[in-house]
Amino acid sequence: AQSVAQPEDQVNVAEGNPLTVKCTYSVSGNPYLFWYVQYPNRGLQFLLKYITGDNLVKGSYGFEAEFNKSQTSFHLKKPSALVSDSALYFCAVREMGQNFVFGPGTRLSVLP
Amino acid sequence: DAGVIQSPRHEVTEMGQEVTLRCKPISGHDYLFWYRQTMMRGLELLIYFNNNVPIDDSGMPEDRFSAKMPNASFSTLKIQPSEPRDSAVYFCASSQDRTYGYTFGSGTRLTVV
Repeated sequence: AQSVAQPEDQVNVAEGNPLTVKCTYSVSGNPYLFWYVQYPNRGLQFLLKYITGDNLVKGSYGFEAEFNKSQTSFHLKKPSALVSDSALYFCAVREMGQNFVFGPGTRLSVLP
Repeated sequence: DAGVIQSPRHEVTEMGQEVTLRCKPISGHDYLFWYRQTMMRGLELLIYFNNNVPIDDSGMPEDRFSAKMPNASFSTLKIQPSEPRDSAVYFCASSQDRTYGYTFGSGTRLTVV
């Protein structure tokens, strides 16, 4: 069975500092990995995905994520956080032929 | 494209009443998903359709919940009768196929009092 974990409920960073939101997964085959962001009173918005190829994936709004197969991780990163990045972030994983499984979400607060 | 459109944005209803949530997926997307989001349980997949046919409804909490997709451009999620524990944000999402990411609507915030 596929599963995804986001070990931190909340991440606080100062504006201008680098940020990392962690995600680990478990699948039996090759994973498709996604990050979504949810702003208040909005639906989830796609940020980036890893399907195959380069382990470092770049996405919207300056975010990137690195696929690490040995550690079964797909952490989301940004070199310099903005206050406007404050939101709820979801990691999602799926295998071929399966639906997505979403993580519980990590609330990111960027402090001015 | 206007994206996935859900209506209403907010719904407040009394316990026992019927509630109908609506979704218009992106044109050309063959998959449609209904999710429920709560603080306690996070995002839960309720049901999904492929080419208007329900494929997996194992996430539907109980018989009070039903979903239909009469055509490629419209789906409904109905709760009858509604209960306070149904209060949540309900999202609809669509996708070209399951390899792609999903496009989510803005959700319907349901409050049952």
